[in-house]
Amino acid sequence: KAGVTQTPRYLIKTRGQQVTLSCSPISGHRSVSWYQQTPGQGLQFLFEYFSETQRNKGNFPGRFSGRQFSNSRSEMNVSTLELGDSALYLCASSSGGTGSTDTQYFGPGTRLTVL
Amino acid sequence: DQQVKQNSPSLSVQEGRISILNCDYTNSMFDYFLWYKKYPAEGPTFLISISSIKDKNEDGRFTVFLNKSAKHLSLHIVPSQPGDSAVYFCAAKGVGNQGGKLIFGQGTELSVKP
Repeated sequence: KAGVTQTPRYLIKTRGQQVTLSCSPISGHRSVSWYQQTPGQGLQFLFEYFSETQRNKGNFPGRFSGRQFSNSRSEMNVSTLELGDSALYLCASSSGGTGSTDTQYFGPGTRLTVL
Repeated sequence: DQQVKQNSPSLSVQEGRISILNCDYTNSMFDYFLWYKKYPAEGPTFLISISSIKDKNEDGRFTVFLNKSAKHLSLHIVPSQPGDSAVYFCAAKGVGNQGGKLIFGQGTELSVKP
């Protein structure tokens, strides 16, 4: 099976712009979660989508949003970019079951730089 | 409030010896724990996991131990190889609909010297 794919791999934007990142999960997986990794804060959970609905949300401002399509592909959007949004954005997919042993598999990430 | 902690930012071991990476958690509602290995500018790679109903899980050179009473888990790598050099993250998740949310530790950078 192909793994989780993310596009683009690298992005450079300026403050105030908005950006959209894309994630294609492993075939058959219905849950997609997004994480932000920064040197200071580590890996932090943004949100999770399952069957086109947001199922969980982390502690990020409303500028961060996402959606999931019927084929389970997901996008996340960051509006009004700030310098502090520079980070590696990671997408992870899983089968999405509520059983405790559902494992998340990560994509390679999108490196966003805000100038 | 850091619910998952990896108190050692770095660890250096000799090739062939055992590497022990530690992780502590505070939330007793966590019921599944995972270890990921990560290289810079790449996504984390799943290594091994353990359910809260077990106290040990093995997969080749990797063994994870869970001590629920102490809220502590550890990852043992035996024997350590130079290719194991990476950052290792411990992660925890809760039950039910919280399952899609992983809480990560800050990571431990392992260096295995030839």
